[in-house]
Amino acid sequence: QVQLVQSGAEVKKPGASVKVSCKASGYTFTTYGISWVRQAPGQGLEWMGWISSYNGNTKFAQSLQGRVTMTTDTSTSTTYMELRSLRSDDTAVYYCGREEAVARGIDYWGQGTLVTVSS
Amino acid sequence: QSALTQPASVSGSPGQSITISCTGTSSDVGGYNYVSWYQQHPGKAPKLMIYDVSNRPSRVSNRFSGSKSGNTASLTISGLQAEDEADYYCTSYTSANTLVFGGGTKLTVL
Repeated sequence: QVQLVQSGAEVKKPGASVKVSCKASGYTFTTYGISWVRQAPGQGLEWMGWISSYNGNTKFAQSLQGRVTMTTDTSTSTTYMELRSLRSDDTAVYYCGREEAVARGIDYWGQGTLVTVSS
Repeated sequence: QSALTQPASVSGSPGQSITISCTGTSSDVGGYNYVSWYQQHPGKAPKLMIYDVSNRPSRVSNRFSGSKSGNTASLTISGLQAEDEADYYCTSYTSANTLVFGGGTKLTVL
């Protein structure tokens, strides 16, 4: 069965970086990309970006350009999302999800990773 | 990219049908047939309910259906059940090759 397992909760100080992992299993990793979506406490969903697991091509939300990096390791079927220069409003649950291409539907989701940014 | 516009809340009684709208522009909803809908229960990850405007994943009940007219997409839930009470989000592909979410709609089953 398809599973996406994310790394554990993180607490970071403003200005620091965080790197969240998303390990996939149960399907051929390179045939789907991975999207990242975040949700601040009590708020709606925000798309962060998408990475192709096949060739590493990426697309990011304009609001995060320059602060976010997404990488993929096909040897371990793991995708990473790194967010830099953290601010308090980056506090959120971060989700990864399997998606064939941008906007084609995230059909399987990770369990979410809470990132708390606090001094 | 501005968020797509959804009503903040909708409600209905068990057995009734409700429709949630999602309004964008010709640069997103109106320009592409790549609208998806997600259901999210409190504390849980979202669940894909509709993709490509009107396609339903096999594990989703046929009580859920999607459509689009111009710049507005819609999600209809028929035969409302208590378990349908959740937040619903629409998304669309955009002309910038990105994805945009709607603000979300809280569905209350009375």
